[in-house]
Amino acid sequence: DIQMTQSPASLSASLEEIVTITCQASQDIGNWLAWYQQKPGKSPQLLIYGATSLADGVPSRFSGSRSGTQYSLKISRLQVEDPGIYYCLQGYSAPWTFGGGTKLELK
Amino acid sequence: EVQLVESGGGLVQPGRSLKLSCAASGFTFSNYYMAWVRQAPKKGLEWVATISTSGSRTYYPDSVKGRFTISRDNAKSSLYLQMNSLKSEDTATYYCARVNNYYWYFDFWGPGTMVTVSS
Repeated sequence: DIQMTQSPASLSASLEEIVTITCQASQDIGNWLAWYQQKPGKSPQLLIYGATSLADGVPSRFSGSRSGTQYSLKISRLQVEDPGIYYCLQGYSAPWTFGGGTKLELK
Repeated sequence: EVQLVESGGGLVQPGRSLKLSCAASGFTFSNYYMAWVRQAPKKGLEWVATISTSGSRTYYPDSVKGRFTISRDNAKSSLYLQMNSLKSEDTATYYCARVNNYYWYFDFWGPGTMVTVSS
């Protein structure tokens, strides 16, 4: 099974700050990586797919990048609506596996 | 507009069975793989099952293989999850999700239905 190691587990950042969350895949998964945001009591919402493509309706301050088997989600200027839990997902092979999540809070 | 709405959750005793349903609309259901993903209280996301467009191929993680069965009715645009021999660790919110055909991610999710396994 492909393991997705996500870091940090939690972080606190200020408005307008740049935030970066990473996922390390245990093996090559190409661009088969997606990022989600989940708010309390809600289902996950797609942010990024194909490692770098922005999902429809997602603000441009969100971006995804890849360096080998390390994937990053960047929020360029943190906004008040951005706190939540962020997850990565690999769709390269079954079993589909998620990262452990990153809880993002406003400082 | 893509919509997925789960139903069938509730309180069930350990060892019993429960069947979840997901009603899909706003897209051609038969063209997409579909999946179930769950989330235990205060925990992360866990993939539970995926089914191919025709229903001929199904995929499960070891944690539910042999106990859960995913199925679909394309004529009714509906997805199902039959859960047998339920355990307390199956307690979770269960989400129905559409699988994107290219990068195999889950592009749309339902609001979820809660399953509680307890005596």
